[in-house]
Amino acid sequence: KAGVTQTPRYLIKTRGQQVTLSCSPISGHRSVSWYQQTPGQGLQFLFEYFSETQRNKGNFPGRFSGRQFSNSRSEMNVSTLELGDSALYLCASSYHTGTGNGNEQFFGPGTRLTVL
Amino acid sequence: GNSVTQMEGPVTLSEEAFLTINCTYTATGYPSLFWYVQYPGEGLQLLLKATKADDKGSNKGFEATYRKETTSFHLEKGSVQVSDSAVYFCALGTGGTSYGKLTFGQGTILTVHP
Repeated sequence: KAGVTQTPRYLIKTRGQQVTLSCSPISGHRSVSWYQQTPGQGLQFLFEYFSETQRNKGNFPGRFSGRQFSNSRSEMNVSTLELGDSALYLCASSYHTGTGNGNEQFFGPGTRLTVL
Repeated sequence: GNSVTQMEGPVTLSEEAFLTINCTYTATGYPSLFWYVQYPGEGLQLLLKATKADDKGSNKGFEATYRKETTSFHLEKGSVQVSDSAVYFCALGTGGTSYGKLTFGQGTILTVHP
C-alpha cells in the first residue's frame, strides 16, 4: 500500500499571501489529521476530518482551515500568511473503526512552508 | 487537558549502550500511548504502541510498557546503533471528542556515536 502523500514538499511564500496544502491518505483510511511542527512549539494539532466533516479542531486562528473530499483526500488552507506560520505541516491518516482510541496515525513526509 | 512530558534531551550515547527515554502523561479517561520516531527531513514513523494498562509495545528492539499507576510509558532499547539516531516523540490519543488528535511530548533528540 502506498503511504500518506503530501504535496508540495516545499513552499516559499510572502507575508499576506495564502497557501493550500494537499494530503492523500492511505487507501481505505477515512480519517485525516493535520499538525504543525515548529522548533519552538513542537507538534501541535490543527484539525481532523472524517467523512468530509471536521470532527476536532485545535487552538489555531481562523486563518487556518481545511476540508476533506469524498475520496478522503484533504486540503488545508492558510490565509494572510504571517512569518510565524513558517513550519513543517504534517498530515496523518488512520483507519477509523468506531469510537475507540487505539487507532494509530500514519504520517506523511510533510510540507515545509517558509514565509518571507 | 491531556499532556505528555518527555525527558529533556539531547541524549548522546555510544553504540551498544542502553537507552531509556522517559515519558509521563496526564489524560482524562484511558488513553492509548505511542512512540513515534522522526529521521532528518522525514515525517513521523510509528515505532510502537500500547492501548491498555500493562501492555508492552515492542518493535525493532525498542520496548515500552504502559504503566497506569505511574502514568508512564518509558522507551527502552538494550543496545543502540548509529542508525537509531533520530528524534523520538511520545504521544497519547483518546477517544470521544478528542478522536483523531494525538498529543505529543516535546521530542528527545538521540545521537549515537560509533
